[in-house]
Amino acid sequence: EDKVVQSPLSLVVHEGDTVTLNCSYEVTNFRSLLWYKQEKKAPTFLFMLTSSGIEKKSGRLSSILDKKELFSILNITATQTGDSAIYLCAVEGNNNDMRFGAGTRLTVKP
Amino acid sequence: DGGITQSPKYLFRKEGQNVTLSCEQNLNHDAMYWYRQDPGQGLRLIYYSQIVNDFQKGDIAEGYSVSREKKESFPLTVTSAQKNPTAFYLCASRGGGRANTEAFFGQGTRLTVV
Repeated sequence: EDKVVQSPLSLVVHEGDTVTLNCSYEVTNFRSLLWYKQEKKAPTFLFMLTSSGIEKKSGRLSSILDKKELFSILNITATQTGDSAIYLCAVEGNNNDMRFGAGTRLTVKP
Repeated sequence: DGGITQSPKYLFRKEGQNVTLSCEQNLNHDAMYWYRQDPGQGLRLIYYSQIVNDFQKGDIAEGYSVSREKKESFPLTVTSAQKNPTAFYLCASRGGGRANTEAFFGQGTRLTVV
C-alpha cells in the first residue's frame, strides 16, 4: 500500500531559526513529489520534485529529493511568523493518484 | 479568472441524508481529486479521476460516490453510509497525463452533520 510519512508532526521555533521538515514515501511507480503550504483553507504550491539530488529553491525555502532512499526534505531558513502553517508533502504515482502525508504543523514564535 | 471553485463553503446535513458537494474548474485540467481533512490531520484521498467518464477509488472511498460526466466538473456525494462525514473537503485539479504539473486546490467545503 502506498504511504507518505511526514515528520515531525508538530514543530515550534522562534523567528530566525532554520527548520528541516521530512517526508518519506513508499509509492508504486513514483512520478513526482510535491510540497504545499496550508495556512487556512486551500493549500498553496511550493515545489515539485522529480529528480534526485537537484535542489529547488525559492527565497528562504528549498527542497531536495532522494529517490534511492525515498525521502525529501523541505528547509526554511531565517523563519518568520508568516511561515507558520501546515506543510504538506504529496507523492504522485503512475496513475495520477496523489497521496498526502499527515502534514507538519509549524509554529514560528516572535 | 481561471481557477477551481467549490460550493458551498459550509454545509449542514442531518443524519441519514445524502449531500452533494460541487467542484468546478475552468483550467482545462484532465485530472481531478477529492480529499477529506480532519482537524489537525493531512489530506486523505477519497476519489480521483484522470479523464472524463473515468474515476478510481482512493484510500477512503466507502460512503462516498462521484461522477465525471464533464471535464470541468467532479461532484462528490456523501451518502448516508458514511458514518462520520463531518470534515473539511478539498477538491483539486491538475493537468494530468505526463505533464508533471502542480495541483490547484479549491477553497474547500466544511460539512457538518447535525
